Amino acid sequence: DAGVIQSPRHEVTEMGQEVTLRCKPISGHNSLFWYRQTMMRGLELLIYFNNNVPIDDSGMPEDRFSAKMPNASFSTLKIQPSEPRDSAVYFCASSPRDIRLQFSGRINYNEQFFGPGTRLTVL
Amino acid sequence: TQLLEQSPQFLSIQEGENLTVYCNSSSVFSSLQWYRQEPGEGPVLLVTVVTGGEVKKLKRLTFQFGDARKDSSLHITAAQPGDTGLYLCAGAKNTGNQFYFGTGTSLTVIP
Repeated sequence: DAGVIQSPRHEVTEMGQEVTLRCKPISGHNSLFWYRQTMMRGLELLIYFNNNVPIDDSGMPEDRFSAKMPNASFSTLKIQPSEPRDSAVYFCASSPRDIRLQFSGRINYNEQFFGPGTRLTVL
Repeated sequence: TQLLEQSPQFLSIQEGENLTVYCNSSSVFSSLQWYRQEPGEGPVLLVTVVTGGEVKKLKRLTFQFGDARKDSSLHITAAQPGDTGLYLCAGAKNTGNQFYFGTGTSLTVIP
């Protein structure tokens, strides 16, 4: 399996431009997560999808950020317009089942498989 | 404000030494995971602990979940250069579907 695939690996753009980050989760996984990592704030969850449906987008910083998952094998994170403070490494992760699967009264926490990340620099 | 604080933030040691990394919070978590992240890559899961007081061993790595499920530690015995990386703890609460990641500990093991 190729693992989680992200593109591009690096993106340099100017303030005000639109940026689109892409993610292909591991085949068969039905949960997908977008994270942002910076030195100051660490790794932050932006949005989480389950079966292509956005479940929790409370981490999306503001209206300039949007995420879609049109099918089980593809997701995008769009920033429009981009600002210098958006500079960070953006990770996509997928999980085989709902991250918190309750079965017979027991909670099972599934592993998240991370992609290699997209390093975004906004000048 | 970070939900999970890790200490130390940076650690540089000689090969063969032992070390402990701490992950602390004022919140109770139903589960806690430890990840290792190498430069240019995403985090990779090392272990998940779910029971207060639980201890798990992974070769030279020993993970412990605090009795009150508010803290955790990672102990590495006889560190090797291959252990170099960013170590992240992540906690999940009873409600919601996300893991909250800690501030991270950057470990460098010098040959």
